[in-house]
Amino acid sequence: GENVEQHPSTLSVQEGDSAVIKCTYSDSASNYFPWYKQELGKGPQLIIDIRSNVGEKKDQRIAVTLNKTAKHFSLHITETQPEDSAVYFCAASRGDTGFQKLVFGTGTRLLVSP
Amino acid sequence: ETGVTQSPTHLIKTRGQQVTLRCSSQSGHNTVSWYQQALGQGPQFIFQYYREEENGRGNFPPRFSGLQFPNYSSELNVNALELDDSALYLCASSPGQGSSPLHFGNGTRLTVT
Repeated sequence: GENVEQHPSTLSVQEGDSAVIKCTYSDSASNYFPWYKQELGKGPQLIIDIRSNVGEKKDQRIAVTLNKTAKHFSLHITETQPEDSAVYFCAASRGDTGFQKLVFGTGTRLLVSP
Repeated sequence: ETGVTQSPTHLIKTRGQQVTLRCSSQSGHNTVSWYQQALGQGPQFIFQYYREEENGRGNFPPRFSGLQFPNYSSELNVNALELDDSALYLCASSPGQGSSPLHFGNGTRLTVT
């Protein structure tokens, strides 16, 4: 089955710096790759997603890149702010099973210091 | 637009008991999925319901079961609770059964003692 690895497990940056989180997946049939932000005491919040027919997607300070050949995808956050501090999860799923099963990475705790 | 709501927010049960968790899907969403998130881990897929039928299941034993109602709300039932069932249980809804964006609720924190 699918396995998603995520690095780093923790990431500390100064406000205004960029942050990059990387994930690799094992199932070449995976075609949907969302990223979630989870704050303490809350459920995961979808922040951006990308499908396998696209190599890059951007939404304001957040961007995601996908390399299907290498089976890895990355989240880029520019001009980080203290409110970006949270746990970030990558996930992958395949669209050929008739249902959606997201396989999540183990999470990255991002700390943005003022 | 109302998001995904779950109840209760916290629950404490004793080993061997049964528990029912509830979820109301986001308006316009007809598919509900349940995930289990152990402390410090990513969520793990339990199952998905579409049109009141379970149409996909993860590696969870049969004592984990669910229901979806005509209004697309859902229940997760867990029988014969074990200590390892202690976790955050997340409900997510989506507008379709395929690769549609999942929107999660804030979860139910279950503690089994």
